[in-house]
Amino acid sequence: KQEVTQIPAALSVPEGENLVLNCSFTDSAIYNLQWFRQDPGKGLTSLLLIQSSQREQTSGRLNASLDKSSGRSTLYIAASQPGDSATYLCAVNAGGTSYGKLTFGQGTILTVHP
Amino acid sequence: ETGVTQSPTHLIKTRGQQVTLRCSSQSGHNTVSWYQQALGQGPQFIFQYYREEENGRGNFPPRFSGLQFPNYSSELNVNALELDDSALYLCASSLRDKPYNEQFFGPGTRLTVL
Repeated sequence: KQEVTQIPAALSVPEGENLVLNCSFTDSAIYNLQWFRQDPGKGLTSLLLIQSSQREQTSGRLNASLDKSSGRSTLYIAASQPGDSATYLCAVNAGGTSYGKLTFGQGTILTVHP
Repeated sequence: ETGVTQSPTHLIKTRGQQVTLRCSSQSGHNTVSWYQQALGQGPQFIFQYYREEENGRGNFPPRFSGLQFPNYSSELNVNALELDDSALYLCASSLRDKPYNEQFFGPGTRLTVL
């Protein structure tokens, strides 16, 4: 059974800092991994998707890496801004018979203060 | 391109009642997945529909059921509501035949069971 863990559970940083959010998963046989952002009481916004054959993906100030063999992914946020404050969730798509079923971590609550 | 929409936004029910939640998938998508997100937790996979048939189910009892219609919209039905069913219900749509199978989420329906 796939299990996804995110560390830290919460993070508070001053504006302008570069930061790293961590995601680990127990079964390395994944199809892809997706990072999402969730604002309080809202739905999920897809940030980045990394296929199992890829090592990293970049979008603006965000960079996500994937090390499938060690069961780890990191989301790097450069030059953080107060508008980045949200919960960040990683989710694994196992593929195969579980194709399309996402297993989520519990999220990292990020607060960026001015 | 229209994104994923859900209705209603909020809903209050009493224990034992039945509820129907609705989801319209993103234009061109043929797969809908439903997730339950309790407060402070990551979303949990309920089930997925592809071409109007259930295609994978998480660890949820049979009183959680669903439908997908020819236009790929979907319903989630929950019978005999329990207090623990209070949660944010999210639907996600994707194009199963597309290699990356990126999932796009709607804004969610907040269900409160009293």
